Amino acid sequence: DGGITQSPKYLFRKEGQNVTLSCEQNLNHDAMYWYRQDPGQGLRLIYYSQIVNDFQKGDIAEGYSVSREKKESFPLTVTSAQKNPTAFYLCASSSSGTATGELFFGEGSRLTVL
Amino acid sequence: AQKITQTQPGMFVQEKEAVTLDCTYDTSDPSYGLFWYKQPSSGEMIFLIYQGSYDQQNATEGRYSLNFQKARKSANLVISASQLGDSAMYFCAMREVTGNQFYFGTGTSLTVIP
Repeated sequence: DGGITQSPKYLFRKEGQNVTLSCEQNLNHDAMYWYRQDPGQGLRLIYYSQIVNDFQKGDIAEGYSVSREKKESFPLTVTSAQKNPTAFYLCASSSSGTATGELFFGEGSRLTVL
Repeated sequence: AQKITQTQPGMFVQEKEAVTLDCTYDTSDPSYGLFWYKQPSSGEMIFLIYQGSYDQQNATEGRYSLNFQKARKSANLVISASQLGDSAMYFCAMREVTGNQFYFGTGTSLTVIP
């Protein structure tokens, strides 16, 4: 089945450690996104990529890094520079160059810093 | 300025009644898409309904309909015959044809009362 796979679903990290969240899609979408969601809050855009080897910062990119070496994959690294990384992270993808076409989401990764 | 505004942080509705969740948007782009997503407590984002800016008729999907008032820049979600399983967060989103960003509102928490 086509969709987006995020892993791991739950992740615990010690302070000062980098951690990478995986996001893979088989929908043949050009555009991919990472969002952060804090409890009871909306979605905030971290990074997005419209095409392979290109990505743009979103509203809260500080302390995060991404890569887009393959169309199917858009991993997110939460670095030690991110001051408050405990949150729910959602990866999404969509077709590009159109106002139609919804965002398809993965099931999310819940990161807890101990 | 906020691209998407949801002014109802929380809403309650009696089971089997209809409920309207408000959403206003701001864009100067002539071509855009409007989306509603449901997020249950599990965290997954479920696409509900889409309305294109050039669509003449209001979108409907089962018990969901979108009350689109273009001149007022309003895209309210109407849920008919509410069910207990409708209790969730609901997010309104917009996509402009220029660029590939999706803009999300802050969400409305809906609780269906038996």
